[in-house]
Amino acid sequence: KAGVTQTPRYLIKTRGQQVTLSCSPISGHRSVSWYQQTPGQGLQFLFEYFSETQRNKGNFPGRFSGRQFSNSRSEMNVSTLELGDSALYLCASSLGHSGGSDEQFFGPGTRLTVL
Amino acid sequence: TQLLEQSPQFLSIQEGENLTVYCNSSSVFSSLQWYRQEPGEGPVLLVTVVTGGEVKKLKRLTFQFGDARKDSSLHITAAQPGDTGLYLCAGASGSARQLTFGSGTQLTVLP
Repeated sequence: KAGVTQTPRYLIKTRGQQVTLSCSPISGHRSVSWYQQTPGQGLQFLFEYFSETQRNKGNFPGRFSGRQFSNSRSEMNVSTLELGDSALYLCASSLGHSGGSDEQFFGPGTRLTVL
Repeated sequence: TQLLEQSPQFLSIQEGENLTVYCNSSSVFSSLQWYRQEPGEGPVLLVTVVTGGEVKKLKRLTFQFGDARKDSSLHITAAQPGDTGLYLCAGASGSARQLTFGSGTQLTVLP
């Protein structure tokens, strides 16, 4: 079974631009979560999508948004990029059922650099 | 806000030594997951512990979930250079699927 895939793997943008990142979950997984990883803050939760609906949201500004398609693929968009948005953006998929045993599997990430 | 304190932050040991990484919180988690991450890659799930007091063993790795489900530990026996990486604990609460991550332990095993 193929794992979580993310595209692109690397991206360089300049301040003020916007960017769209893509994530394809493991086949059969209906939940997709996005995380931002930086050296200073570690891994922080952005949001989670399930059945095309945002189900949970972390403490990030409205410049960060996402969506999920009917095939469970998800995209994340960041508008008006700032230098501090430089990070590894990770996508994780899971079956999406409630309870603590819903294991999340991560993709390789997209390394975003904002100049 | 739930926090997971992970210690130590850095650990450098010789091949063959044993080590323990700790993950502590004042909050109760419904489950706790341990991941290992290598540079430029996403975290890879090692184990999920769900029941208070649970102990799981994967070859040389032993994971324990505290009785109160607030803390966990990862013990590696006879560490090998291939164990080098960033070890992350992550807790889930109730029905929420968002994970709260610890700050990570960077392990280096020297040959």
